[in-house]
Amino acid sequence: DVKVTQSSRYLVKRTGEKVFLECVQDMDHENMFWYRQDPGLGLRLIYFSYDVKMKEKGDIPEGYSVSREKKERFSLILESASTNQTSMYLCASSKQGPRSDTQYFGPGTRLTVL
Amino acid sequence: GQNIDQPTEMTATEGAIVQINCTYQTSGFNGLFWYQQHAGEAPTFLSYNVLDGLEEKGRFSSFLSRSKGYSYLLLKELQMKDSASYLCAVRDRRYSTLTFGKGTMLLVSP
Repeated sequence: DVKVTQSSRYLVKRTGEKVFLECVQDMDHENMFWYRQDPGLGLRLIYFSYDVKMKEKGDIPEGYSVSREKKERFSLILESASTNQTSMYLCASSKQGPRSDTQYFGPGTRLTVL
Repeated sequence: GQNIDQPTEMTATEGAIVQINCTYQTSGFNGLFWYQQHAGEAPTFLSYNVLDGLEEKGRFSSFLSRSKGYSYLLLKELQMKDSASYLCAVRDRRYSTLTFGKGTMLLVSP
């Protein structure tokens, strides 16, 4: 069965802290993605990676960075958390290819920055 | 870039049929996806269209017209558990990234 896991379901951090969100997939997928989801704004792509050590900016990369040292793991980093980064963060993965499969999502991490 | 529009909310009655529309403008179309998302949960895949026409999967069907930039998701024999948000997403040709609409919240009442 397809599995994408995220390190925490709920996280509370203080302004200025460095925050790591971890995502692991066990499907040997090449592509991995980080989104945030906010009421009224929907899902927005922050960063994605199509291979180990490769990363590409999505639509809203400001204030975030990512790391992909291993194929199965994709980390989202908030260098200095701010209150406007309070959100639901969703990780996803997919296979590569012209008829590539859908994206499979992890359960999400609800981050609150105080 | 991509621009995707879908209604914010819809209501329907148990046992009925509901159609959720999605229109899009895109610079590099490579397929349209529908996802279901229950409150507090991750989106789950419902359907995928890359060619024009109707794809049927049990109680759910999805239609695509590429020339019109239009898709719909049809839900038949509605059940209470179908109350959820339905997300339309367009895939980019180059990187296989998805751009999502804001979602349609469907409320099914008895």
